[in-house]
Amino acid sequence: QQQVKQSPQSLIVQKGGIPIINCAYENTAFDYFPWYQQFPGKGPALLIAIRPDVSEKKEGRFTISFNKSAKQFSLHIMDSQPGDSATYFCAANSPVGGNMLTFGGGTRLMVKP
Amino acid sequence: DTGVSQNPRHKITKRGQNVTFRCDPISEHNRLYWYRQTLGQGPEFLTYFQNEAQLEKSRLLSDRFSAERPKGSFSTLEIQRTEQGDSAMYLCASRTTNTGELFFGEGSRLTVL
Repeated sequence: QQQVKQSPQSLIVQKGGIPIINCAYENTAFDYFPWYQQFPGKGPALLIAIRPDVSEKKEGRFTISFNKSAKQFSLHIMDSQPGDSATYFCAANSPVGGNMLTFGGGTRLMVKP
Repeated sequence: DTGVSQNPRHKITKRGQNVTFRCDPISEHNRLYWYRQTLGQGPEFLTYFQNEAQLEKSRLLSDRFSAERPKGSFSTLEIQRTEQGDSAMYLCASRTTNTGELFFGEGSRLTVL
């Protein structure tokens, strides 16, 4: 069964801290792992994504670490800011059946000033 | 604005009524997806279209749900005989065939009283 498990459900950090959100998956056929950021009342927006042949990808303050053997990947937010307060979703793409994304349950991040 | 457009943004209806949501994808995107998101959860896949063909449907899509994409442009999602359990955010997303990036609209929130 295709499933992506995300933790923690919620996270509070101080400004400048480095929140880390973790995801684990089962299906080794997944070929693309994006992270989405969602603000209240808005649709999810792509933040950063990685393919399984790469162990790390960095874009600005956001870094994905990917461990293929452990079937885990994580999002790190460097120098977090109050404006980063949002819900973050990891996802995994299946190349069969329409390139469907399966999402984790989400992590609600609050960055305190 | 050339993003994914959804309307109405919010619909309040009484149980048993029919509702229809519309999605206008990014113009060059031939794949269109519908997802459902309940409060505090990640988006769940409902169905997807490649051009005008509906190629995949989730088991979440009961017989009361129908989606169309005439001429491979905009799409509609209709829910007949709404139930309180249908209350959710309905998200539309689009992408091109050969890329993993999925662009979401801002969603249509359904409240069934």
